[in-house]
Amino acid sequence: AQKITQTQPGMFVQEKEAVTLDCTYDTSDPSYGLFWYKQPSSGEMIFLIYQGSYDQQNATEGRYSLNFQKARKSANLVISASQLGDSAMYFCAMREFSGGYQKVTFGIGTKLQVIP
Amino acid sequence: NAGVTQTPKFQVLKTGQSMTLQCAQDMNHNSMYWYRQDPGMGLRLIYYSASEGTTDKGEVPNGYNVSRLNKREFSLRLESAAPSQTSVYFCASSEELGPQGTEAFFGQGTRLTVV
Repeated sequence: AQKITQTQPGMFVQEKEAVTLDCTYDTSDPSYGLFWYKQPSSGEMIFLIYQGSYDQQNATEGRYSLNFQKARKSANLVISASQLGDSAMYFCAMREFSGGYQKVTFGIGTKLQVIP
Repeated sequence: NAGVTQTPKFQVLKTGQSMTLQCAQDMNHNSMYWYRQDPGMGLRLIYYSASEGTTDKGEVPNGYNVSRLNKREFSLRLESAAPSQTSVYFCASSEELGPQGTEAFFGQGTRLTVV
């Protein structure tokens, strides 16, 4: 079974509009962390936002917010006021303990293109 | 602020050749990872190391070996390269999950082509 599912291979958004990138996850651990990374065309992985499984409030970092719905096991990334520089691949990831050690698993990514 | 340093950045190998990808982190993290990234596949975990002296297989370990030389360094070795190992390889490190939690920090990646 997929640990992290990103069902949107590609998304388009108009500049200055908001966009939601979907992510669902699968784990039986009560303690885990969820992350979003951005990968621009230059290739580096840029950390955007983190949500812990015990966090009561949704994480926010500037224009990024994470819509965490624990019961539905979803952790969607919301980007407000999109900018041209937001065009990139976006990866959802989950950290969990497995066999006593932590592992980080990634989804296949969503390619976001911001249209002027 | 070096963070995670990977070498080399680019490499072309002939089928059957061997090579080692080097990775070092200066953040005193216990956990280190090797991923490969292929189009449409996202990042897949090859091996990880929870601490110095320990390594465990990830999702796609076949054809690879790793060595956690010390807390800083985690190397990935291809003993006999195959065209299927053409990919972009990322090394990453992170702290253990805790109340705060931390993200994984990534190296710049190694673009490997096996011909």
